[in-house]
Amino acid sequence: AQSVTQLDSQVPVFEEAPVELRCNYSSSVSVYLFWYVQYPNQGLQLLLKYLSGSTLVKGINGFEAEFNKSQTSFHLRKPSVHISDTAEYFCAVSDHQAGTALIFGKGTTLSVSS
Amino acid sequence: GAGVSQSPRYKVAKRGQDVALRCDPISGHVSLFWYQQALGQGPEFLTYFQNEAQLDKSGLPSDRFFAERPEGSVSTLKIQRTQQEDSAVYLCASSSMLGQRTDTQYFGPGTRLTVL
Repeated sequence: AQSVTQLDSQVPVFEEAPVELRCNYSSSVSVYLFWYVQYPNQGLQLLLKYLSGSTLVKGINGFEAEFNKSQTSFHLRKPSVHISDTAEYFCAVSDHQAGTALIFGKGTTLSVSS
Repeated sequence: GAGVSQSPRYKVAKRGQDVALRCDPISGHVSLFWYQQALGQGPEFLTYFQNEAQLDKSGLPSDRFFAERPEGSVSTLKIQRTQQEDSAVYLCASSSMLGQRTDTQYFGPGTRLTVL
């Protein structure tokens, strides 16, 4: 069965520093990949998704992610973070076995301080 | 342009009580999903509706969990005889397409259920 691993449960960074949140999934067969962000007391919001084509995907709020099929990874990056980026980030995958359901990782808490 | 709404936002139940959680999807969205998010974990799939049809309930943890969407819009997740292990945030999501894996799911804020 498909699984998603987010390698870091917490990532503390200083404002304006670059950040990478890591995500690996178990199978590369016909997958679609998503990153969601969850701010406190709010629902999950889509940051970006990879469906096909260019392996570098750009999303909202200056985030981008790169699909690497050989390494079964989909790491999220931002070149310069803001205090307002402090939130929980979830990587998710959809594959043909899971149907339309998303399979989520456990999440990474990004804490940005000044 | 309202998003997905859920009610109540917080629910405290005594063990053994029945609870009902409501989800109002984005108007016109045909697909509706329920997920369970335990503390410190990512959301886990419970069930999926396409209009009023429940097409996948493989994630429901026991027969105490029941979901319905009788008119193809509002959905209710019911948990009977609640147990402490049912304590979690229950998330509802909707999408506009018919069972397309590529479609974006829009999430509500969730209902935090605490079973004492």
